[in-house]
Amino acid sequence: DAKTTQPTSMDCAEGRAANLPCNHSTISGNEYVYWYRQIHSQGPQYIIHGLKNNETNEMASLIITEDRKSSTLILPHATLRDTAVYYCIVRVAGEYGNKLVFGAGTILRVKS
Amino acid sequence: GAVVSQHPSRVICKSGTSVKIECRSLDFQATTMFWYRQFPKKSLMLMATSNEGSKATYEQGVEKDKFLINHASLTLSTLTVTSAHPEDSSFYICSARSDQDSWEKLFFGSGTQLSVL
Repeated sequence: DAKTTQPTSMDCAEGRAANLPCNHSTISGNEYVYWYRQIHSQGPQYIIHGLKNNETNEMASLIITEDRKSSTLILPHATLRDTAVYYCIVRVAGEYGNKLVFGAGTILRVKS
Repeated sequence: GAVVSQHPSRVICKSGTSVKIECRSLDFQATTMFWYRQFPKKSLMLMATSNEGSKATYEQGVEKDKFLINHASLTLSTLTVTSAHPEDSSFYICSARSDQDSWEKLFFGSGTQLSVL
């Protein structure tokens, strides 16, 4: 089972920052938080990941709370092309190795 | 960046036939690949972990005889849907982890839309 919970959907105005929250209250100390997004009928695209510190790359910023029980993905200037389903994922340890188990994700709609 | 190629992107087949889907890591070696299935407006469901040179490991509830996985080389994994039926119609997606990097990133293929008539 997925170890994260996210809001079902969010709307954001074009050009504004999109802040997508995620709860992962059962995360272990050495587990990373990953963010992927999926545009309709395509494979998921990696966005960013982090462990403890806040992270930033060319796509987004990731803010992780000090207790690591939640995080927020920030798209600083959302565009229409950022409309997608955003998945917050914590790696799950399986019997034969680690794996990524996707939750329901957040549908982000960027509107003009 | 790393690229995972998945082929075909779309396939339509008759009920009872078998369909093979290929997943290739184009510029990196991947000991481990993953196969997911996705129904419309639903999230990705992990089906199995494909391990180069050994048997795949299947998630609970996934029929290993129905969904045959072969990972014969470090750059290729295949998923064969055997004796396909309409309920097997779905979007299938593969992903691969680069052996050269730490575990943290998976690269996904563009998916295969399977329609069984």
